[in-house]
Amino acid sequence: QVQLQESGPGLVKPSETLSLTCTVSGDSMSGYYWSWIRQTPGKGLEWIGYIHYTGSTNYNPSLKSRVAISVDASKKQFSLRLTSVIAADTAVYYCARVRGKFVFDYWGQGTLVTVSS
Amino acid sequence: DIQMTQSPSSLSASVGDRVSITCQASHDISNNVNWFQQKPGRAPKLLIYDASDLEAGVPSRFRGGGSGTDFTFTISSLRSEDAATYYCQQYHTLPFTFGQGTRLEIK
Repeated sequence: QVQLQESGPGLVKPSETLSLTCTVSGDSMSGYYWSWIRQTPGKGLEWIGYIHYTGSTNYNPSLKSRVAISVDASKKQFSLRLTSVIAADTAVYYCARVRGKFVFDYWGQGTLVTVSS
Repeated sequence: DIQMTQSPSSLSASVGDRVSITCQASHDISNNVNWFQQKPGRAPKLLIYDASDLEAGVPSRFRGGGSGTDFTFTISSLRSEDAATYYCQQYHTLPFTFGQGTRLEIK
């Protein structure tokens, strides 16, 4: 059974960097893309970006200047960094596995990150 | 970005009813649509991929269809546990985008 678990601070100050890690269990990271998605009451579900297990990335242009996703397949982890955060970055952040033709098949439980001083 | 417009935004139906949700894409996206179910406090759960393919382990009362710009998600015989918000998502063109969701209430 594939499981994903997000971890990281639940509170980040404005202008600082949001950092989250997703730990994968139950399967290898090989052969898949790994993605971050966030959800807010106002904007709904927003795709942030993905990383292939080989390290190639693709990001949402709306966040591209501030976001970086990295992978450490040996630890079965991938990470999200979002710089210069503002209140509008307050959201529940999900990590997800992406198989084949971009089928988001397994998701983490989500973690709430609040941007506030 | 491709906009995914879902309707209705909410609906209420009874156990045993057939319910349908539509999702319209702003551009032709072939059959590149996923459908998800989300219950409060939980992550989205994949139900349908490639517009009409049922994810393993998902009950057959859930169905998807359509191609191009118009897509439909149907629950053939509603059960109480189907109360949730349902989302469509396109993966034809980056950035991937989601519909705004349809909240389904059981009467």
